[in-house]
Amino acid sequence: AQSVAQPEDQVNVAEGNPLTVKCTYSVSGNPYLFWYVQYPNRGLQFLLKYITGDNLVKGSYGFEAEFNKSQTSFHLKKPSALVSDSALYFCAVRDSWGKLQFGAGTQVVVTP
Amino acid sequence: DTAVSQTPKYLVTQMGNDKSIKCEQNLGHDTMYWYKQDSKKFLKIMFSYNNKELIINETVPNRFSPKSPDKAHLNLHINSLELGDSAVYFCASSQAGLAGGGGTYNEQFFGPGTRLTVL
Repeated sequence: AQSVAQPEDQVNVAEGNPLTVKCTYSVSGNPYLFWYVQYPNRGLQFLLKYITGDNLVKGSYGFEAEFNKSQTSFHLKKPSALVSDSALYFCAVRDSWGKLQFGAGTQVVVTP
Repeated sequence: DTAVSQTPKYLVTQMGNDKSIKCEQNLGHDTMYWYKQDSKKFLKIMFSYNNKELIINETVPNRFSPKSPDKAHLNLHINSLELGDSAVYFCASSQAGLAGGGGTYNEQFFGPGTRLTVL
């Protein structure tokens, strides 16, 4: 069965510092991985995905993620965090039935 | 010009009632989904429809019945509401990719959510 794990409930970072949100996955077969962001009282917004190709994937709002097959990880990164990046971030993996299995989410708090 | 819209945004009701949530997408997508987000923000798929056909039906009580009158709409009807049904329900849509069975490599677009409170 496919699954993702987000080991951190919350990540705190000062504005201007690098931001990393961790995600590890477990799949049988090729992994199809996604990152979404949820702002308060809003629906999820797509950030980026890895299907195949380059291990470094660039997405919306300056975010990128690095696919690491040997470590089964797909960490989300941003070189310089903004206060407006404070939100709930979800990693997800598409399973063989086409369903997205979401991680538990990581709350990002960026302080001025 | 909202991509995925849901109504109502808030729904407060008594136990035992029947209620519906409506979802519409104007993106031309052929696949729509319902997700439930619980109080701990855990997100789980409930149903998926592709071209009006049910393709994913998770272990959801049969009190929940989705209906897709056309590709642009996926409604969720809930009978005999229980306290545990209180959650935020999200509708989403996507364009099916190369895989069959409703599989999609394409990102899903989410609606703003419907916060259901059962008293």
